[in-house]
Amino acid sequence: AQSVTQPDIHITVSEGASLELRCNYSYGATPYLFWYVQSPGQGLQLLLKYFSGDTLVQGIKGFEAEFKRSQSSFNLRKPSVHWSDAAEYFCAVGATGGSYIPTFGRGTSLIVHP
Amino acid sequence: DGGITQSPKYLFRKEGQNVTLSCEQNLNHDAMYWYRQDPGQGLRLIYYSQIVNDFQKGDIAEGYSVSREKKESFPLTVTSAQKNPTAFYLCASSIGGTGELFFGEGSRLTVL
Repeated sequence: AQSVTQPDIHITVSEGASLELRCNYSYGATPYLFWYVQSPGQGLQLLLKYFSGDTLVQGIKGFEAEFKRSQSSFNLRKPSVHWSDAAEYFCAVGATGGSYIPTFGRGTSLIVHP
Repeated sequence: DGGITQSPKYLFRKEGQNVTLSCEQNLNHDAMYWYRQDPGQGLRLIYYSQIVNDFQKGDIAEGYSVSREKKESFPLTVTSAQKNPTAFYLCASSIGGTGELFFGEGSRLTVL
């Protein structure tokens, strides 16, 4: 069974600073990987996804993530954070065997200081 | 525009009453899901359906029921048997097979 760990419950950064949110997964093969963002009281929106190929994935809103097989990680990065990036971020893994059920991490809450 | 519509966005219920949350999608997706979200607990799967007229229990199905009579619709009923129903409920859909989900805006249920 797959699992996802987001080790940081909260992350605080200053506006304009760089950001890295960590995600580690456990799965026997190369999984499908996702990052979602959730603003308060809203649904989740897909930021980016990795299925195969280039391990550096570009997403919306200036986010990128890098798949590192050796570290079982899929960390999310942004070079310069904006106040509007304050939200909850979820990493998820989907099994490549055709499973319909992704596994979500517990989420990381991003706080942005002006 | 294609998407997922959940209604109502806010709902208040008295203890002992059943309530039904609506979820409609026009993405032509086969699979649909219901998640519950509580503060600090991430997403927990209630029910999912891969095809019309078929659905499976998720991790926390007790006290909930669903139906899937049409591809576009997957309503969730929160029954009086659900001990702690106050939560944020999210509906999602997917093409299936990858785990990529498309979410609605959510419904917040408060039991008074």
